[in-house]
Amino acid sequence: GAVVSQHPSWVICKSGTSVKIECRSLDFQATTMFWYRQFPKQSLMLMATSNEGSKATYEQGVEKDKFLINHASLTLSTLTVTSAHPEDSSFYICSARDLGQGKTQYFGPGTRLLVL
Amino acid sequence: DAKTTQPPSMDCAEGRAANLPCNHSTISGNEYVYWYRQIHSQGPQYIIHGLKNNETNEMASLIITEDRKSSTLILPHATLRDTAVYYCIVRSQRYNTDKLIFGTGTRLQVFP
Repeated sequence: GAVVSQHPSWVICKSGTSVKIECRSLDFQATTMFWYRQFPKQSLMLMATSNEGSKATYEQGVEKDKFLINHASLTLSTLTVTSAHPEDSSFYICSARDLGQGKTQYFGPGTRLLVL
Repeated sequence: DAKTTQPPSMDCAEGRAANLPCNHSTISGNEYVYWYRQIHSQGPQYIIHGLKNNETNEMASLIITEDRKSSTLILPHATLRDTAVYYCIVRSQRYNTDKLIFGTGTRLQVFP
């Protein structure tokens, strides 16, 4: 299957700082990428849909000014957690849709964020 | 998108077939059934998907009932590495922005 990478795999930061997470589709182009968040012992929760060259679409209850998404190319989307607080500590997972594979969605390995 | 119902947990002996059921009684005609699994602390892994015909790949088989209201994922010879949470999701492929919405899944424990 298609490969999606994320960087960094884990990050620890101080409260009030911003953290950027990169998501790349390595062997296919993705006009659409998705960002999810997962708290311990819970399922994945969709945060936003990232569209190449246009603004992201956020799910209800997700603050767009808090979670900035940029999808500047067909292989890269970034999520920036601005002014992070301890409650933002979570497992962030991106995914990308491979239009060449029947629109199957592939997931990255996730980024674990810990805000102190 | 239609919702799915899965048992919260299942056990399976190593080497035996693991049959994971999923109910999706409100599925519409253009919605596909997707299966993913998530091994602890990793991103979800795509397994298989189908519309109405049974599907098989190197990982698993997907059996969809004729009325499409339920399906079963079959891992023919479960190994300890198949221990994971398995998610059954229905999604249309009409638009590029169609979303995968995860439910609570089935936690499969494969034991020696």
